[in-house]
Amino acid sequence: AQSVTQPDIHITVSEGASLELRCNYSYGATPYLFWYVQSPGQGLQLLLKYFSGDTLVQGIKGFEAEFKRSQSSFNLRKPSVHWSDAAEYFCAVAVTGGGNKLTFGTGTQLKVEL
Amino acid sequence: KAGVTQTPRYLIKTRGQQVTLSCSPISGHRSVSWYQQTPGQGLQFLFEYFSETQRNKGNFPGRFSGRQFSNSRSEMNVSTLELGDSALYLCASSAGTALSYNEQFFGPGTRLTVL
Repeated sequence: AQSVTQPDIHITVSEGASLELRCNYSYGATPYLFWYVQSPGQGLQLLLKYFSGDTLVQGIKGFEAEFKRSQSSFNLRKPSVHWSDAAEYFCAVAVTGGGNKLTFGTGTQLKVEL
Repeated sequence: KAGVTQTPRYLIKTRGQQVTLSCSPISGHRSVSWYQQTPGQGLQFLFEYFSETQRNKGNFPGRFSGRQFSNSRSEMNVSTLELGDSALYLCASSAGTALSYNEQFFGPGTRLTVL
């Protein structure tokens, strides 16, 4: 079965600093890859997705992610963090032929210091 | 377009009771998926319904069930509630028809507390 690992439970960065959130997946083939953000008391908002093609994916709110097949990773980056980026971030995968089932990582809680 | 709607937003039940949660997908969407989010287990897939048929199921006990109506609205039911069922239940809708993945849009969730 596929699995997703987000090794960092909590990350604190200063406003204006760069950000990288790590995500590794375990699956026999290349799955579909996603990053979602969740603010307190809210549902999930899709930041970006990778299905195929260019391994550097641009998303909303200035986020990008890079798919590295050799490392089974899909890390999320942002060059300059804003205080409003404080939230929980989830990496997720869906497998081909698996319908709409998403398997999520455990999440990374981002705190932004002013 | 209106987004995914979930009702109620908050619910308090006692152990042993049953509960029904409702999800109205985005207009035109025929697939509805349910997820459970808890601090201990994280986000876990419950099941997916498409055109009134369950086409995907997660690893949850039979106390968790769902259904989908002809208008694509979906309900999930949890019988004989346990304390561990306290969670945020998220619904997601998508327009997909094929078994390949289709982008899902999430609702705000229903916060269930079991006392």
